[in-house]
Amino acid sequence: DAGVTQSPTHLIKTRGQQVTLRCSPKSGHDTVSWYQQALGQGPQFIFQYYEEEERQRGNFPDRFSGHQFPNYSSELNVNALLLGDSALYLCASSPPSGTPDEQYFGPGTRLTVT
Amino acid sequence: QKEVEQNSGPLSVPEGAIASLNCTYSDRGSQSFFWYRQYSGKSPELIMSIYSNGDKEDGRFTAQLNKASQYVSLLIRDSQPSDSATYLCAVETQSYNTDKLIFGTGTRLQVFP
Repeated sequence: DAGVTQSPTHLIKTRGQQVTLRCSPKSGHDTVSWYQQALGQGPQFIFQYYEEEERQRGNFPDRFSGHQFPNYSSELNVNALLLGDSALYLCASSPPSGTPDEQYFGPGTRLTVT
Repeated sequence: QKEVEQNSGPLSVPEGAIASLNCTYSDRGSQSFFWYRQYSGKSPELIMSIYSNGDKEDGRFTAQLNKASQYVSLLIRDSQPSDSATYLCAVETQSYNTDKLIFGTGTRLQVFP
């Protein structure tokens, strides 16, 4: 049973560029959430996708956008990268509504903006 | 006031001792509480979930929840050096039919031989 997978593992980008991060949820899960974790901090909620729709967004600007595909996989896009966007980006998946709503994280993508 | 508060530590305990990690939260409507373990450079790993007042035990781990005091804790019995990690407390808040997790900044645990 594959867990949550993310790609790429590491990424180095320059200020002003755009980046796309990818996530495949755990088998049987249909909801995907994205979090940003800066060094020394807890993960911060970016947004959540369910049935290919963004259900809720955290306190992040519109430069952060996402998408969910029919197979439940998801992408996170960040435009006009800033140095402050350097962080570990985590994808978490959770099961269908009605079952325990534990969220399981993927290994993360380490983004460095120079 | 932060939504989820944890002491950043480090909390240092000798091998074999009980490690006690604490967390307070501000949203009285929260119903679900989680403890994640995060090793340096890795992603958070879910180790405990608790939904009702009282204690929940799983192996060497015990989670304790007191909703009246808005307090959740994690006890690790017989601590091992391999338990050395950052422990993140997460509280689920529900709005617009979305279950998002609010995390504390984590407590760094060091278990020394």
